[in-house]
Amino acid sequence: DAGVTQSPTHLIKTRGQQVTLRCSPKSGHDTVSWYQQALGQGPQFIFQYYEEEERQRGNFPDRFSGHQFPNYSSELNVNALLLGDSALYLCASSHDGGEIYNEQFFGPGTRLTVL
Amino acid sequence: AQSVTQLGSHVSVSEGALVLLRCNYSSSVPPYLFWYVQYPNQGLQLLLKYTSAATLVKGINGFEAEFKKSETSFHLTKPSAHMSDAAEYFCAVSEGSSNTGKLIFGQGTTLQVKP
Repeated sequence: DAGVTQSPTHLIKTRGQQVTLRCSPKSGHDTVSWYQQALGQGPQFIFQYYEEEERQRGNFPDRFSGHQFPNYSSELNVNALLLGDSALYLCASSHDGGEIYNEQFFGPGTRLTVL
Repeated sequence: AQSVTQLGSHVSVSEGALVLLRCNYSSSVPPYLFWYVQYPNQGLQLLLKYTSAATLVKGINGFEAEFKKSETSFHLTKPSAHMSDAAEYFCAVSEGSSNTGKLIFGQGTTLQVKP
């Protein structure tokens, strides 16, 4: 089992550009969540996708958007990049099977640097 | 709104000493609580979770945590620190009592283990 994979591992962009980050969930998982982790901070929830729809959203501007594909993989898109968008972006996957709690498994993250 | 406070951004212990990382939560409903560990340049790994079963939760690598409702705490302990325990530790709460997985993280505690 490959676990949650993310690409690319590192990315450097300049202000105003757009970026797309990718995530493949753990085998058998159908739900993908994205988190932003700024340096020295805890991760902050961006949004969650289930059945190709955005199910929940955190307090992030519309510049942050996403997509989930039929194979459950997901993309995070950020437009009009700001210096403050520099962070580690974490993807987490889980299976919505109706259990008490659907444990999330995290990928290694994509380190985005905005210059 | 739920929140998590980790007391102490840095904790330093000697190898073999007790590890105690503090976490207090704010929640209006019975929470699901978690501790995650993050090694440098890696994603988050779940150490243990509380989902309203036993209040003393045992996790991986010898860690355990006790849910104390009266103190709204979920402190993480390990009887004897090992050099390999040096990492960043995050306490998290699941929003509401849902099982959809949105996590709210604390700021993190860096654990240093001295030889």
